[in-house]
Parts: sequence; C-alpha cells; structure tokens
Amino acid sequence: NAGVTQTPKFQVLKTGQSMTLQCAQDMNHEYMSWYRQDPGMGLRLIHYSVGAGITDQGEVPNGYNVSRSTTEDFPLRLLSAAPSQTSVYFCASSPRGGASPLVAKNIQYFGAGTRLSVL
Amino acid sequence: AQKITQTQPGMFVQEKEAVTLDCTYDTSDQSYGLFWYKQPSSGEMIFLIYQGSYDEQNATEGRYSLNFQKARKSANLVISASQLGDSAMYFCAMRGGGGKLIFGQGTELSVKP
Repeated sequence: NAGVTQTPKFQVLKTGQSMTLQCAQDMNHEYMSWYRQDPGMGLRLIHYSVGAGITDQGEVPNGYNVSRSTTEDFPLRLLSAAPSQTSVYFCASSPRGGASPLVAKNIQYFGAGTRLSVL
Repeated sequence: AQKITQTQPGMFVQEKEAVTLDCTYDTSDQSYGLFWYKQPSSGEMIFLIYQGSYDEQNATEGRYSLNFQKARKSANLVISASQLGDSAMYFCAMRGGGGKLIFGQGTELSVKP
C-alpha cells in the first residue's frame, strides 16, 4: 500500500517557469490538500478538495492552481514561479469520515514532500 | 476563525524523562478534532495522536498521551520516557472543514543523552 505519493522529491526552477507537482493516493480518500512549509512556520494550506471535481482555496492560494479530475490525483500547478514560492510542499489525504473509529478521526496522511527552489 | 498556538519554539529533555509540549486552540465549533504530528529531520509528517472534542477520556498511544482540557482550550502532548529518536519538530493541528488542518508553528524537541 503506497499511501500518498508525491513527485518529484526535489525541483529547481527559474523565475517565471511553470511546473506541476504531482500527488496521488491509493486509499480511496475523498479529501486531499496541499500545504507549504516555510522555515520557522507550520504548514499552511494552499488548496484543498473534498472530492473529484471540487476544489477550494486555502490560506495561501495565490500563484497556484489545482484540479481534481479523479479521486486518486490532485496535482498542484505553479503558473509562473517566483522566489517566494521556494518552500517544501506537502500533499495529504484523509477519509471524509464514517462509522469506523479510524475513519471518523479524519486522520490526514502526508506524502514525503517536494523541496522546491526558485532562483 | 480557528487558530492553533504553540508557544514553545524549542524544548530540551533528558533521555528517559517525560516532557510536555504545549498547544492551545481557538474555535467556535462545538465538534472538532485535535492532532499531533511529528516531523523528524528527514522531513516526513508522522501522525501521533488524535483527540476528539467529545471524547470523554484523554487519548493515549503508547508513550504519547494528550492532556485535553476543554475549558482551557488546551491539548498538550505528553511524551513519557523520552528516547533519542524523539528529537524532532512536533506540530499541533486542528481539523477544519473539508478535512483540512490548521497547524501551529511547531515545537522543536531535543532529547539529550
């Protein structure tokens, strides 16, 4: 069971370039989220999705786009990279909730992260 | 708006001793969930423990326990018998709508041999 898979693990971009961070989960989770982590700060929510075809903005959405065409995949697109987007990016997924104790907790499972540098 | 506050940027503890990491939260919701995650130097986010707002007992998971004081809006993590491998960043988080999490700024724990 792979869980949440993020690719790539490392990426260096030049200012103005675009790229897509990939995220896939194999747990059939309804909820998926993208966070960024900057030094000295906790994780901040960029975008999230409650199901295929449904996305919404988080705390820091500017400069990022998302889409969710399938339950499994939730890619994050950087439209025109800026040095301020240098960060570590985490994708996470969780079940919507339900009767079983583990599912009811909506525990978020995280990918290993993508370390992005924008020069 | 929901908010998580962790006031201890760094903590030291002697190996085999217990340590408490503080977390206070703010929410107007009646039903909510609180989480603690561990982030070792390798960078991954590891789920440790969960407390639901309606849970009558404090959560425990092995050496981790959560001291949940609802009236004070605090959810402190207690690690008993600290080990060198416990050295890491620890994040307190609250569940928001749509499964998203609101994180505190984290506490860096260093375990001394």
